[in-house]
Amino acid sequence: NAGVMQNPRHLVRRRGQEARLRCSPMKGHSHVYWYRQLPEEGLKFMVYLQKENIIDESGMPKERFSAEFPKEGPSILRIQQVVRGDSAAYFCASSPSLADYNEQFFGPGTRLTVL
Amino acid sequence: RKEVEQDPGPFNVPEGATVAFNCTYSNSASQSFFWYRQDCRKEPKLLMSVYSSGNEDGRFTAQLNRASQYISLLIRDSKLSDSATYLCVVNNQAGTALIFGKGTTLSVSS
Repeated sequence: NAGVMQNPRHLVRRRGQEARLRCSPMKGHSHVYWYRQLPEEGLKFMVYLQKENIIDESGMPKERFSAEFPKEGPSILRIQQVVRGDSAAYFCASSPSLADYNEQFFGPGTRLTVL
Repeated sequence: RKEVEQDPGPFNVPEGATVAFNCTYSNSASQSFFWYRQDCRKEPKLLMSVYSSGNEDGRFTAQLNRASQYISLLIRDSKLSDSATYLCVVNNQAGTALIFGKGTTLSVSS
């Protein structure tokens, strides 16, 4: 059973470009969460999605950031017009259900560097 | 007050030592509690869930005090491989997200 998969593992963008981060949850998991870890900081929740629905986006910046989890394919975290402050590790996690005491399994992360 | 607070450390201990980490959380409505481990530049990995009655997994013992909103992790007989950052984690009131502390760094030396 493959774990949570994220790609790319490393992404370099220039200011103003777009970044697309992908996450495939563990098999059988229908709940996906995105977290961001800034340098020397703890992980911060961004958004929680189920298939085709955003359930909680209270941690998402108001502008430039969006997320989706389509019926087919991976979840996508999209950052438009990136700025240097977006440089961070972005982790995706999945769980089989919300009721499962929120035990979440994390992917290896995408490290975004904005030049 | 931060939602989850931990002593950042670092804790530097010799092999075989016993070390304890503490954590406090601010939201009394939190229902789920965990310790995760994060190695340098890696993803967090679940170490153990924390139950009200306390629970043990090998050399690791976790305790929860809901009245004081306090969580602890005890590691006995430390190994070199225990060197990592230990993250105290609680769920949010809606149960839709995990709230992470900044972590406590442990370094075990021979």
